[in-house]
Amino acid sequence: QVQLQESGPGLLKPSETLSLTCTVSGGSTSSHYWNWIRQPPGKGLEWIGYIYYTGSTKYNPSLKSRVTMSLDTSKNQFSLHLSSVTAADTAVYYCARRVVVPLQRDDSFDLWGQGTMVTVSS
Amino acid sequence: DIQMTQSPSSVSASVGDRVTITCRASQDISSWLAWYQQKPGKAPKLLIYAASSLKSGVPSRFSGSGSGTDFTLTISSLQPEDFAAYYCQQANSFPITFGQGTRLEIK
Repeated sequence: QVQLQESGPGLLKPSETLSLTCTVSGGSTSSHYWNWIRQPPGKGLEWIGYIYYTGSTKYNPSLKSRVTMSLDTSKNQFSLHLSSVTAADTAVYYCARRVVVPLQRDDSFDLWGQGTMVTVSS
Repeated sequence: DIQMTQSPSSVSASVGDRVTITCRASQDISSWLAWYQQKPGKAPKLLIYAASSLKSGVPSRFSGSGSGTDFTLTISSLQPEDFAAYYCQQANSFPITFGQGTRLEIK
């Protein structure tokens, strides 16, 4: 079955750029919306944005100025880059597949990676 | 942004109890609502989509209802594995937003 796995550095210094990659196994990135979602320790979920299989993107306005997402369909991977990180960016970062079926009013995240903890500290 | 407010923030219940969690949207989201279960240290798991459609493989004791601004997730008879956090999520408009979560604890 399709599985997602995040990878990337777990510790960053303030002002550095967070770079994470999500590898999709057992399936292809040549369809669906591919998302990043984060969760600060002990808190709720925040949607960061998505990259569609066509390469189009949409980001949360709260992070838009610092976020870039990219897609490599040949490797079945998509990536997140978040610049100028601060302690407020410390969180578990999840990659997730978003399914959209308009006629059913279905727009949900049906597959998730296990998550990777990123800590920003000097 | 559409604000999603869940209540209660936490609830204590016993195995076999019926539990209802409420999610209120700050504006009409039709049925563009999903529910997730999250256990400690794990990723969220999709339970319900389109407000009331049960994802394949999810036990039938879970059900969702509502439309517009008010939604509920009901667990008809709590099982030990149901003690977790639950989140609602709207996708009527961007940015996609989640409720703050409801923690379901063992009494």
